Amino acid sequence: EAAVTQSPRNKVAVTGGKVTLSCNQTNNHNNMYWYRQDTGHGLRLIHYSYGAGSTEKGDIPDGYKASRPSQENFSLILELATPSQTSVYFCASGDRLGGNEQYFGPGTRLTVL
Amino acid sequence: SQWGEENLQALSIQEGEDVTMNCSYKTYTTVVQWYRQKSGKGPALIILIRSNEREKRSGRLRATLDTSSQSSSLSITGTLATDTAVYFCASYTGNYKYVFGAGTRLKVIA
Repeated sequence: EAAVTQSPRNKVAVTGGKVTLSCNQTNNHNNMYWYRQDTGHGLRLIHYSYGAGSTEKGDIPDGYKASRPSQENFSLILELATPSQTSVYFCASGDRLGGNEQYFGPGTRLTVL
Repeated sequence: SQWGEENLQALSIQEGEDVTMNCSYKTYTTVVQWYRQKSGKGPALIILIRSNEREKRSGRLRATLDTSSQSSSLSITGTLATDTAVYFCASYTGNYKYVFGAGTRLKVIA
C-alpha cells in the first residue's frame, strides 16, 4: 500500500514568518509534488521533483521554495508567509512514468494570520 | 467548463440514482484521471483512462474520454451514501505534470 505522510497536519503561522511543510513517502517513487487546494477550487501545482536533489517550478511557484534532499522526503518552504498562502497543502508521489497514479498525503491545513 | 478554472460544482441526489460528471480540457492529453476526495482526506485515484481508450469501467464507475471534443465524463451507477465526496478530473499535460479541474461535490442522500 502506497504511503505518503505529511507534517504538521495543522499549522498556524504569523505573517512574515518562515514555514516548512514536510512530506515523506515510502513508495520509492521518483516524482513528488506539492499542491495547494483552496475552497471551491481544484488542486494547483506549486513545485515538483523528479528525484533527490531536483526541484522544478509548477504553475504557482511564487512565494514558495522546495527541497528534495532524498528520495523519500520533499519539503515546501514559505520564507515569508503571507495571509494569501492560507490554504490546504497536499503532497503527492508518483512513479517515473508520466500519467500514472499519484498517491496523495492527508494534507496540511495552513493558516497565516 | 474549462479544466482547472471553473468553480466547484455541487450535486445532491438520492441513493440509488445514477450520476454523470463532466470535464473538458484545453490542451492535448494522453491520460485523464478521476480522483475522489472524502472530507478531510487527500484525493485517491478511482479510475484512469488513456487516450487510446474511449471508455473504461471499474465496478459501478464508468469513464469516457473523447479526444476530439477534449472532454471526459465519470458516471456512477446505483449511487450509495458512501459515494458522497468531491470528484476531480486531472489531465496529464506532459513533463510529469497534471492539471486538475475544480471538481464536483456530490452528496448522496440515503
